[in-house]
Amino acid sequence: DAKTTQPTSMDCAEGRAANLPCNHSTISGNEYVYWYRQIHSQGPQYIIHGLKNNETNEMASLIITEDRKSSTLILPHATLRDTAVYYCIVRPDKIISGNTGKLIFGQGTTLQVKP
Amino acid sequence: DSGVTQTPKHLITATGQRVTLRCSPRSGDLSVYWYQQSLDQGLQFLIQYYNGEERAKGNILERFSAQQFPDLHSELNLSSLELGDSALYFCAASQGVEAFFGQGTRLTVV
Repeated sequence: DAKTTQPTSMDCAEGRAANLPCNHSTISGNEYVYWYRQIHSQGPQYIIHGLKNNETNEMASLIITEDRKSSTLILPHATLRDTAVYYCIVRPDKIISGNTGKLIFGQGTTLQVKP
Repeated sequence: DSGVTQTPKHLITATGQRVTLRCSPRSGDLSVYWYQQSLDQGLQFLIQYYNGEERAKGNILERFSAQQFPDLHSELNLSSLELGDSALYFCAASQGVEAFFGQGTRLTVV
């Protein structure tokens, strides 16, 4: 499984964009980039995922570099409720992996949104 | 609400005992994953089942076992419990793309 590297912690002002980086230099061609977050001991929450194109949904945008070795999760207008640990995970395509596709969590980035 | 239900929410038991944690996935979720999160620790993958069969195994102790039933719900059995087994236990369920997590079972071993 490809490993990811994230900063331990980040701060963001409320209402500003939060940009969370992730390095995954050993990612292989059939692996997707997933982002989850965990708010204070709750179950992790799916945010977004992508393969090589940029993706956007109602929660966030995911920007993946052309060489796929890094990505950035963007929360466009951070609120206090976005304070959480954010996890960047690489996960193989379900068909290639034989429906294994387990999510291996690292230490993540603790994002603190401040008033 | 992810639609994945875990019971019980809280469990307090004594060392040496055995407990069973239950996970009810959403309709159509063939995969179920179990994770352990100790205090101030990361999420550790324990085991995955896919349509009733064990598909992947992580850092699961021999004292722990799991199974997935024909209705796709899953149970995690923890036996000969030790103080160090106190943790949050999460299950996640998936139809193949996103995995949705339950709210966890907080196990306290005293």
